[in-house]
Amino acid sequence: AQKITQTQPGMFVQEKEAVTLDCTYDTSDPSYGLFWYKQPSSGEMIFLIYQGSYDQQNATEGRYSLNFQKARKSANLVISASQLGDSAMYFCAMRETRTTSGTYKYIFGTGTRLKVLA
Amino acid sequence: EPEVTQTPSHQVTQMGQEVILRCVPISNHLYFYWYRQILGQKVEFLVSFYNNEISEKSEIFDDQFSVERPDGSNFTLKIRSTKLEDSAMYFCAAQRNGADTQYFGPGTRLTVL
Repeated sequence: AQKITQTQPGMFVQEKEAVTLDCTYDTSDPSYGLFWYKQPSSGEMIFLIYQGSYDQQNATEGRYSLNFQKARKSANLVISASQLGDSAMYFCAMRETRTTSGTYKYIFGTGTRLKVLA
Repeated sequence: EPEVTQTPSHQVTQMGQEVILRCVPISNHLYFYWYRQILGQKVEFLVSFYNNEISEKSEIFDDQFSVERPDGSNFTLKIRSTKLEDSAMYFCAAQRNGADTQYFGPGTRLTVL
């Protein structure tokens, strides 16, 4: 069965420093996608970054980058130059096998709560 | 940038009552989903929907739940007889044809008393 593991329930980082949030996954499907979402205290789920299993390069989106190590089955999120507004819950997710109709479900990790310190 | 919207943002209901949660997906998105997040826990898949049919559903999505897209725009989740354990944040998500990313709405916080 496919699985996402986030082992860090909480992290602290000093403002302006970089932080890495860990995510490991398990799947036997050769085609998969990995995602990171941010959930601030207001509750919404904000898409941050996506990495496809066949992508040769690590994904980057502004201050966010995804450190994709396929052999180790890890997809860590790196946030550079942390800001106070980055304080939130961060979820790693993986898409499961596509159904015949084209839909697929995400499975989520348990999340990491990041606190940025001034 | 187009967004997925959800109404209401917060719904309080008595146990046993019916609730309808509404979602307006992004207009050119074809695949729709409902997820829920019990307070302090991870996000769980409920159901996926395409072409006016359920594509896949989880074991959570029992006979008390139903989904429909009655007018081609709104996408609704109905819970027929709410239970205390239905209290959660419910997220609608939409996905474009050929894309991998699902875009989530802001969620509806359901509180069952």
